[in-house]
Amino acid sequence: ETGVTQTPRHLVMGMTNKKSLKCEQHLGHNAMYWYKQSAKKPLELMFVYSLEERVENNSVPSRFSPECPNSSHLFLHLHTLQPEDSALYLCASSQGAGGSSDTQYFGPGTRLTVL
Amino acid sequence: KNEVEQSPQNLTAQEGEFITINCSYSVGISALHWLQQHPGGGIVSLFMLSSGKKKHGRLIATINIQEKHSSLHITASHPRDSAVYICAVISGSARQLTFGSGTQLTVLP
Repeated sequence: ETGVTQTPRHLVMGMTNKKSLKCEQHLGHNAMYWYKQSAKKPLELMFVYSLEERVENNSVPSRFSPECPNSSHLFLHLHTLQPEDSALYLCASSQGAGGSSDTQYFGPGTRLTVL
Repeated sequence: KNEVEQSPQNLTAQEGEFITINCSYSVGISALHWLQQHPGGGIVSLFMLSSGKKKHGRLIATINIQEKHSSLHITASHPRDSAVYICAVISGSARQLTFGSGTQLTVLP
């Protein structure tokens, strides 16, 4: 199994739907991240979890709700999204929570389209 | 103004050419990443460096902390190098990465 996997790879949802994105890492890392990449914009950090506790939350709207049940799994629950939330959502993991020596390993991303 | 600026935004080269992508940043950093993103969206970390120079195969990354500048070089470029190359910095007091907008590289056969 490759390092960081994400499912689904593509998701189309309506504004009233509830869906979840899943990320799984097989690297034995302790930190996991959610990033958003909108068209023609830099990657934006959304959430950081270290040892299953949220340590960063960059003012993300409450319609995005993360969950980290254990150090290998990370979810992003989506509810009543807006069309401007359409983006590529990337998950990453690292050994520690973002210190200067921690390389992040990225998943392939979930391409989300909100209609 | 973004804290991390990359140039050029788009670059087209012929196979075999030597390629340079630049990254300038305006904050104090503890480390800098170069990342490669393929058309499908997946991101691969190429280098993390905090000083000097690193080499991996045909890729070379350099950083000048005093000038707040890093470069990514690709020697003997190949069409499979076509991707978006992203520079990201870890600032001294924060624990998160700040990303540049990326450089779209296209290498023509």
